[in-house]
Amino acid sequence: SQTIHQWPATLVQPVGSPLSLECTVEGTSNPNLYWYRQAAGRGLQLLFYSVGIGQISSEVPQNLSASRPQDRQFILSSKKLLLSDSGFYLCAWSSGWGTEAFFGQGTRLTVV
Amino acid sequence: GDSVTQMEGPVTLSEEAFLTINCTYTATGYPSLFWYVQYPGEGLQLLLKATKADDKGSNKGFEATYRKETTSFHLEKGSVQVSDSAVYFCALSGAQGGSEKLVFGKGMKLTVNP
Repeated sequence: SQTIHQWPATLVQPVGSPLSLECTVEGTSNPNLYWYRQAAGRGLQLLFYSVGIGQISSEVPQNLSASRPQDRQFILSSKKLLLSDSGFYLCAWSSGWGTEAFFGQGTRLTVV
Repeated sequence: GDSVTQMEGPVTLSEEAFLTINCTYTATGYPSLFWYVQYPGEGLQLLLKATKADDKGSNKGFEATYRKETTSFHLEKGSVQVSDSAVYFCALSGAQGGSEKLVFGKGMKLTVNP
């Protein structure tokens, strides 16, 4: 069966520090991968999605970047965190167009 | 572009009450439709789905019917429990000419009191 791993679960980082969140998927190949941010405990904002290695689509221009160095690995990064980067970050995968997505457990990021 | 509009709440119900959460969508063609649930501090879980018109998705006592004529996918449960307290998201994917991304509504927080 397929599983998705996302870590760390919680993170407290100072303003101006770098960020690296990692997400890996097991049990499937060539998944679509997604990074979402959830601020204010409710709405989901799509940050990046990828349909293949090295293919990244950015939805919102901001202080973050994403990379997909391997088929089932998706990394969210920042060179210098801002206070506004605080939030709940969710990684997800799907098997393709028109299919449901499966989510990781999320990372709670607090920038102080 | 594709979009999903849902009731935002928050909504508070008593245990055993009837629940309806409205969801309508804007998209070309026949997208797949989903309901997700998020319990506090967790990621989203797929609750149910429907992939074509008139399909009914059901799970854990929840159900929703894909209505193409009204572009709706309302979530219902006949008798809610305290354990149903969560945030509920309506979503779509696979609209004609659309991208690979999943489009979500803003979510609705449900609290069920004993």
